Amino acid sequence: EIVLTQSPATLSLSPGDRATLSCRASQSISIYLNWYQQRPGQAPRLLIYDASDRATGIPPRFSGSGSGTDFTLTISSLEPEDFAIYHCQQRSKWPHAFGGGTKVEIK
Amino acid sequence: EIQLVESGGGLVQPGGSLRLSCAASGDTLRSYDINWARQAPGKGLEWVAHITSSGDALYYADSVRGRFTVSRDNAKNSLYLQMNSLRADDTGVYYCATHRSGIYYNWGQGTLVTVSS
Repeated sequence: EIVLTQSPATLSLSPGDRATLSCRASQSISIYLNWYQQRPGQAPRLLIYDASDRATGIPPRFSGSGSGTDFTLTISSLEPEDFAIYHCQQRSKWPHAFGGGTKVEIK
Repeated sequence: EIQLVESGGGLVQPGGSLRLSCAASGDTLRSYDINWARQAPGKGLEWVAHITSSGDALYYADSVRGRFTVSRDNAKNSLYLQMNSLRADDTGVYYCATHRSGIYYNWGQGTLVTVSS
């Protein structure tokens, strides 16, 4: 079973800052890594699929990169609505596990 | 775009049962594979169960296999998660979501299940 480890657990930043979130897989998952954003009290929503493809309606300040075991979600300049929890999820092998999440909070 | 709404959550004693529902609007549910996922308080997301659009293939996480059953009624545009022998570690918010090729596209708002005496 593939395990995803997200770091850091919490990221304290200010609006306008650049955010860099990491997701590491316990074995190679090629590019099959998705990112979801979960705002407080809301359901998750798809941001990025297959490591670097933005979902419909996602602004270009969100970008994803990586392959194999190491992946990064970058938010180029944080907007107030970006303070949320970010989850990674692999779709390479069943079960399609999620990581533990990274909370991006206002500093 | 399809919208999903979960219902049926609540407080239940250990060993008890609950049946969650996932109702769809805006599109026909029969076109979609659906996943159930859950989130324990302060924890990450956990996949729970998967049902194909036709209902002919079901998959379960090891943690719920033998206790949970997923089903669907495409005529009612709904699907269900029957949860039996509930334990404290089943506590959390349960989400249904459309699922295609390993990607969760549309999520409901979730329903809270609390297992406690």
